[in-house]
Amino acid sequence: QSVLTQPPSASGTPGQRVTVSCSGSSSNIGGNSVNWYQQLLGTAPKLLIYSNNQRPSGVPDRFSGSKSGASASLAISGLQSEDEADYYCTAWDDSLNVVMFGGGTKLTVL
Amino acid sequence: QVQLQQWGAGLLKPSETLSLTCAAYGGSFSGDFWGWIRQPPGKGLEWIGEINHSGIIFYNPSLKSRVTISIDTSKRQFSLKLTSVTAADTAVYYCARALTYHYDRHDYHDAFDIWGQGTMVTVSS
Repeated sequence: QSVLTQPPSASGTPGQRVTVSCSGSSSNIGGNSVNWYQQLLGTAPKLLIYSNNQRPSGVPDRFSGSKSGASASLAISGLQSEDEADYYCTAWDDSLNVVMFGGGTKLTVL
Repeated sequence: QVQLQQWGAGLLKPSETLSLTCAAYGGSFSGDFWGWIRQPPGKGLEWIGEINHSGIIFYNPSLKSRVTISIDTSKRQFSLKLTSVTAADTAVYYCARALTYHYDRHDYHDAFDIWGQGTMVTVSS
């Protein structure tokens, strides 16, 4: 079981706004920045958000990240069918000295 | 823009050593951290470790006794060795570049922005 807790699944309809949560502790999210990845089926993960809310070049502004205390969220607005994927949060953990990944959330576009 | 290409043996027997290499094409090589991440079939991602051009290395403590990450800056390559593999090491192994960014008075290199294609490694007798 991962130190970073994500819901195993989420869903939404096209055009809707959905959020994916990531809960941690003071040794990881609470004291460090959070990154988010999107992994389409059978492909390598893609960095969506780094440093809590920064988007790498090329990532649509439909994707946004936020952090409050020891929790973080990824929001996807204007949901599209191609957003159907697994989403992972990550953060450095000061106690374990490791880059922690959340367990992943499978997003289904209905 | 940097592109990563990785290679290595895909089928191992228990107790053998996993060996993968990743080459970076284009862009800068020095100054960045380069890492390895794995994903067992149907499961989530696990950080293995990372290294920079100066040889500064970070390992996942859970794998540290079996893992060696090395770098050859002249070839623009970095490598992963994992000894004494078992079925639990069966996974897709990815190499990746770590983005360096500044947050809250610290430099971080835990966000991987460029990934290799992945190598499926199966451990089976």
